[in-house]
Amino acid sequence: GNSVTQMEGPVTLSEEAFLTINCTYTATGYPSLFWYVQYPGEGLQLLLKATKADDKGSNKGFEATYRKETTSFHLEKGSVQVSDSAVYFCALWARSNFGNEKLTFGTGTRLTIIP
Amino acid sequence: EAGVVQSPRYKIIEKKQPVAFWCNPISGHNTLYWYRQNLGQGPELLIRYENEEAVDDSQLPKDRFSAERLKGVDSTLKIQPAELGDSAVYLCASSLNAGGGTEAFFGQGTRLTVV
Repeated sequence: GNSVTQMEGPVTLSEEAFLTINCTYTATGYPSLFWYVQYPGEGLQLLLKATKADDKGSNKGFEATYRKETTSFHLEKGSVQVSDSAVYFCALWARSNFGNEKLTFGTGTRLTIIP
Repeated sequence: EAGVVQSPRYKIIEKKQPVAFWCNPISGHNTLYWYRQNLGQGPELLIRYENEEAVDDSQLPKDRFSAERLKGVDSTLKIQPAELGDSAVYLCASSLNAGGGTEAFFGQGTRLTVV
């Protein structure tokens, strides 16, 4: 079936450090890929997405490139801020074994940025 | 514009008792989802509605869980009777439609504790 494997946390970085959160996936067909973020006390919200191979999603300084050859969608940011502290979820939209399309999430990576 | 609204935010009940969660999606969104998020895990789909029709309930434990979306707007998810293992955060989300690149908007969730 479809699955998403993402880097286990928690991840702690200093402000202005470079961030990478790894995400790999298994899916049938050609899934759409997403990163969702959950800030403390808030609901999940879409951070960025890519719907086909080699697409790059970007938002708020974050980037991720849809790599079909390595089945990956790693999240990167060049210089993190304290306000980026949150839980990050990688997800894919694809057809399930039951024939229905659905969003499948990874387990989440908790990121803490220290000043 | 209001986002996805869920109530209550928190609920503590004794096992074997019934419980219900309510969700009001974003106006105009045809697709509504209920997810369950266990501690330290990503959300898992329970049921998806297209308007008032449940089009994917393959992951809903139908012996104790039920859901409805009368008139294709707001929705209720019920558990009867609740078990200790049902303790989790129940998330509602909505989207304009169910296409692969369509953004799903999430509510803040209801944290259920069964004691």
